Amino acid sequence: DTEVTQTPKHLVMGMTNKKSLKCEQHMGHRAMYWYKQKAKKPPELMFVYSYEKLSINESVPSRFSPECPNSSLLNLHLHALQPEDSALYLCASSQDEGREQYFGPGTRLTVT
Amino acid sequence: QKEVEQNSGPLSVPEGAIASLNCTYSDRGSQSFFWYRQYSGKSPELIMSIYSNGDKEDGRFTAQLNKASQYVSLLIRDSQPSDSATYLCAVNEGNTGKLIFGQGTTLQVKP
Repeated sequence: DTEVTQTPKHLVMGMTNKKSLKCEQHMGHRAMYWYKQKAKKPPELMFVYSYEKLSINESVPSRFSPECPNSSLLNLHLHALQPEDSALYLCASSQDEGREQYFGPGTRLTVT
Repeated sequence: QKEVEQNSGPLSVPEGAIASLNCTYSDRGSQSFFWYRQYSGKSPELIMSIYSNGDKEDGRFTAQLNKASQYVSLLIRDSQPSDSATYLCAVNEGNTGKLIFGQGTTLQVKP
């Protein structure tokens, strides 16, 4: 089973709202990732967690705040987003950094 | 700046033909190479991973890696209309979790 789940599927939020995206995997993977993907572009890495610790932050603005409560869960907290943050947000996991990454279905975020 | 380059296409092949997708990368320290398929509006789906020089076959898919030439390719045999999608080449930066993606090649398989 290589399933990564993400909730919600769709999210519309205003620029003053606070919301969270959730990601879960039960494959025993020790690395988890957040990506952002705009239309007709490849995914862009935002954050990497390895063994529940943040190992890579790709200079993401502080209005995006990741959290890894345990080895199966990954959250992305959103606050004061801008319309240009509208995108597909993808979560992925892998056995370890450097191994195959499996993507969840994504959350399509619209900021109004 | 480490880069992964792909021809954006579209690459159009008739049903039943072999589709050949190519990718070059700049980071000589890369150890892990992947091909993802992405249908419009969906998330990327891993179809092949390759870690050592040579060929790796899985069903209708064959990945080829040449580290000396910094070149990765994907062959799809007996192409089907359902293979029509964007194919993303991805390379790990060193041995980190950072995947560098190419811009993707759009494949169209015509019945």
